Amino acid sequence: GAVVSQHPSWVICKSGTSVKIECRSLDFQATTMFWYRQFPKQSLMLMATSNEGSKATYEQGVEKDKFLINHASLTLSTLTVTSAHPEDSSFYICSATEGRNNSPLHFGNGTRLTVT
Amino acid sequence: LAKTTQPISMDSYEGQEVNITCSHNNIATNDYITWYQQFPSQGPRFIIQGYKTKVTNEVASLFIPADRKSSTLSLPRVSLSDTAVYYCLVGDTGAGNKLTFGGGTRVLVKP
Repeated sequence: GAVVSQHPSWVICKSGTSVKIECRSLDFQATTMFWYRQFPKQSLMLMATSNEGSKATYEQGVEKDKFLINHASLTLSTLTVTSAHPEDSSFYICSATEGRNNSPLHFGNGTRLTVT
Repeated sequence: LAKTTQPISMDSYEGQEVNITCSHNNIATNDYITWYQQFPSQGPRFIIQGYKTKVTNEVASLFIPADRKSSTLSLPRVSLSDTAVYYCLVGDTGAGNKLTFGGGTRVLVKP
């Protein structure tokens, strides 16, 4: 089945630094990838839609200059949290779709970000 | 975007059947219904997908009435390891739709 690999699975960084999270589709080409954020005991919140070769589309309230998304190939999208602050600590999850009709989303295993 | 509504939580016991209903009154003609399972600190995992009537796979069944305004995920003979949060999503990724999550249903299976 389709596999999405997300790396790292967890990261601790100091306030003010930047962190990059990678999302790879291992056995299929993903024209579209999605980035979600999840706080404890809450549902997944869509942050942005990442399309290969074009700029990401951000949801309302998500700062595009803070959460930089790059989708340079059909198998890789990256999310960079710039100038991280403690309130950015969260569980970040990516998903990818093959883009055909009724193709389900395939999710990575998430990245636990802790900003100290 | 079709909005979904699910019960917040459900309790069950090992060996019982668990049925979770999701309401999606404004589902579009091309939308599919997909259910996911999520364990703590993990990404959601695909369970089953359907468009209409009934779909069954090795882990679950999905019942969709003719009007498609709701769907029911059925988990037969649950075990403790089925304790998780279950989400239904409605949309068509092939049309470039983004899929947003509702609140999900937290299922607790007791011994």
